Amino acid sequence: EIVMTQSPATLSASPGERVTLSCRASQSVSNNLAWYQLKPGQAPRLVIYSASTRATGFPDRFSGSGSGTEFTLTISSLQSEDFAVYYCQHYNRWSISFGGGTKVEV
Amino acid sequence: QVHLQESGPGLVRPSETLSLTCTVSGDSISRYNWGWIRQSPGNGLEWIGYMFHSGSANYNPSLKNRVTISKDSSTQFSLKLTSPTAADTAVYHCARVRFGEFDSWGQGIQVTVSS
Repeated sequence: EIVMTQSPATLSASPGERVTLSCRASQSVSNNLAWYQLKPGQAPRLVIYSASTRATGFPDRFSGSGSGTEFTLTISSLQSEDFAVYYCQHYNRWSISFGGGTKVEV
Repeated sequence: QVHLQESGPGLVRPSETLSLTCTVSGDSISRYNWGWIRQSPGNGLEWIGYMFHSGSANYNPSLKNRVTISKDSSTQFSLKLTSPTAADTAVYHCARVRFGEFDSWGQGIQVTVSS
């Protein structure tokens, strides 16, 4: 099983700041990596897939990078609607696993 | 635009089977793969499994012996989890699968396992 580790667990930031979330895989996952945004009471939303492709509906302040075992999600200028919990997820033909999440809070 | 809605009992006894249905509108189940994910306070997101549009399925090894995901109709698919325990208490989401990522999700349904 591939283990996904996210850091930090909690990130405190202010609107307008640039933030970077990290995700590490226990073995190479190539670029088969997605990021999700979760807010209470709402359906989770896909933010990034294939490590760096932005999903429909997300502005270009969101960007993803990395391959192999190290990945990052960057929000260039935090907006109030961006405060949420973010999860990374690897996928391949046989299995899927999620990281433990990073909570972005004020 | 695709819409997914989970339904089923919110309280399940440990002696019963946890059974949930996902109703899909705005798309055909036959065109994509479909999956289930659950979310609990202590464990974050956990992949349960997914169903290929062909009807076969792939499951999380930790749940494989207890879970079945299957197509019920052209607009519905279901999750069945046998011998549930308190550890299975969670919010259960159904989702559409593209190449492995989940690109559309239902809002989720809270399921509590308790006698």
